[in-house]
Amino acid sequence: EAGVAQSPRYKIIEKRQSVAFWCNPISGHATLYWYQQILGQGPKLLIQFQNNGVVDDSQLPKDRFSAERLKGVDSTLKIQPAKLEDSAVYLCASSFQDGPYEQYFGPGTRLTVT
Amino acid sequence: AQRVTQPEKLLSVFKGAPVELKCNYSYSGSPELFWYVQYSRQRLQLLLRHISRESIKGFTADLNKGETSFHLKKPFAQEEDSAMYYCALSGQGTSYGKLTFGQGTILTVHP
Repeated sequence: EAGVAQSPRYKIIEKRQSVAFWCNPISGHATLYWYQQILGQGPKLLIQFQNNGVVDDSQLPKDRFSAERLKGVDSTLKIQPAKLEDSAVYLCASSFQDGPYEQYFGPGTRLTVT
Repeated sequence: AQRVTQPEKLLSVFKGAPVELKCNYSYSGSPELFWYVQYSRQRLQLLLRHISRESIKGFTADLNKGETSFHLKKPFAQEEDSAMYYCALSGQGTSYGKLTFGQGTILTVHP
């Protein structure tokens, strides 16, 4: 089966600019996750969707980050305006259902904010 | 709050030696524990989960609720085991399905 797709793979922007990341999960997977992975740390969950509804966004910095999954399939994560500390790899993952199921990860988008 | 600690950032062993990657967790309930692995230039992927109690690529992990640990073990390490390993926890209730990851351990297996 095709895996989780993400684009772009790399992005370099200046601080205060905006950026958007796109994720296409595995077909049929109801749950979609966005993680932020800062260098030297493990992934940290930013937001979790179940179909097109938000399950958990408690760790999403809502003053600058937003995410949507309008039709319950693809998702976009946006940062506006970006800060230097947003430099990280942004990982998208999907699973069949909400719960302790295996999560399948995409290749990630490496964001550098200068 | 749930937390996962992997005390070793780096671990080096020689081929054929036993290896143990440590993982300790903090959670007030019954967690689901996982080990995820990332090989060089590959995606993060599930290695094993405690609920399935299976051995994958020779690795096993036992959940010790008394010590709140979920150490990953392999009796004879292979060069292809060199990778980044993350221990992760999924809680109950509102934390159901939400993974909390440790900081990761880079395992290097020398020939």
